[in-house]
Amino acid sequence: DAGVTQSPTHLIKTRGQQVTLRCSPISGHKSVSWYQQVLGQGPQFIFQYYEKEERGRGNFPDRFSARQFPNYSSELNVNALLLGDSALYLCASSSTQFRGGLNEQFFGPGTRLTVL
Amino acid sequence: AQTVTQSQPEMSVQEAETVTLSCTYDTSENNYYLFWYKQPPSRQMILVIRQEAYKQQNATENRFSVNFQKAAKSFSLKISDSQLGDTAMYFCAFRRLSQGNLIFGKGTKLSVKP
Repeated sequence: DAGVTQSPTHLIKTRGQQVTLRCSPISGHKSVSWYQQVLGQGPQFIFQYYEKEERGRGNFPDRFSARQFPNYSSELNVNALLLGDSALYLCASSSTQFRGGLNEQFFGPGTRLTVL
Repeated sequence: AQTVTQSQPEMSVQEAETVTLSCTYDTSENNYYLFWYKQPPSRQMILVIRQEAYKQQNATENRFSVNFQKAAKSFSLKISDSQLGDTAMYFCAFRRLSQGNLIFGKGTKLSVKP
């Protein structure tokens, strides 16, 4: 079975532009989470979606938005890019929303975004 | 708010030796989950081992084991018989029972030397 896939692998944008990152979860997984990993730091939680609804949001500005589609794939959008948005963006999927269960998260390879 | 601290930015170990990575966390929760993730240079984050806070027995996965000290809020990872393929960033992570998001530490860069 395919793991979590993300596209594109790399992306270069300039300040002020907008970007869309894509994630396809493992087949059968209904929950997708997005994380930002700045160089030299641990990942930071941005969003969690389950059954197409936002179920959690981290401490990120409104320039960051996301959505989940009926096939459970997801997009992360970032508007008005800043230099500080340069990072590895990780997507993780799990089978459920986690309530009361361990429900391991499986990570994709990430999208490396560079903002010039 | 929960925080996770990894106090060792970098560590190195000789092949076949044993190494221990440290992690402490802060929470007022009584039940939660703790994880160690490995991120090799290829950057795919892989789960190494996990621990449920309500279980007193330390988790073990082959060469990987943890020392979970709940009262001290400490969760260290021991890697036995280190292999070259263990070279990677290692992240300690915390998750509340009722939430889906992981809270990560800053990571420890482990180098296994031949």
